[in-house]
Amino acid sequence: EEQLVQSGGEVKKPGESLKISCKASGYRFATYWIGWVRQMPGKGLEWMGVIYPGDSDTRYSPSFQGQVTISADTSTSIVYLQWSSLRASDSATYYCARHVDDQGGDLNAFEIWGQGTMVTVSS
Amino acid sequence: DIQMTQSPSALSASVGDRVTITCRAGQSLGNWLAWYQQKPGKAPKLLIHKASILESGVPSRFSGSGSGTEFTLTISSLQPDDFATYYCQQYNTDPTFGQGTKVEIK
Repeated sequence: EEQLVQSGGEVKKPGESLKISCKASGYRFATYWIGWVRQMPGKGLEWMGVIYPGDSDTRYSPSFQGQVTISADTSTSIVYLQWSSLRASDSATYYCARHVDDQGGDLNAFEIWGQGTMVTVSS
Repeated sequence: DIQMTQSPSALSASVGDRVTITCRAGQSLGNWLAWYQQKPGKAPKLLIHKASILESGVPSRFSGSGSGTEFTLTISSLQPDDFATYYCQQYNTDPTFGQGTKVEIK
């Protein structure tokens, strides 16, 4: 079964760093783009960026460029989303998601989704 | 960013009703548009991609149409499991989502 399993919820203070993870299984990890989507409490979905694990090619939304870092480890089939200095406004649920096929380049729909990781940033 | 405008933002409907949700883009997308369903506390679920391709396992009562700047998601006969929030997403350029349409029970 193709699936993405995300790390558990986090509670952090402003200014702290954080790295959350998304473990893929059931398919060829290196050949599908995987991305991250933010959902702030009670709000809609925001596309953050994607990575191609095979060569770590990465594309960020202009809104998130420089604010987060997406990385991948092909030896463990894990994709990461990290912050160097969290803000209260980073409080949200973050979903990882895999592209619908391996043909579409860095722009495509998301077919397989993780269960979400809730991040709370509060002093 | 390409602005995506969904309408309506919410609707009330009964089981068996035909429901249509519209998504308009600020510029032409070709057919690079997807539709998702999201239930409270759950991850989104892909229903349709490339404007009209039904994802495997999605009931045939769901259909998508349109190209360019105007797209529609139609549920031909609303079922109890369909009460949820629906989002469109363009992926012609830096992907963006519509603001969502909440489908509630009338």
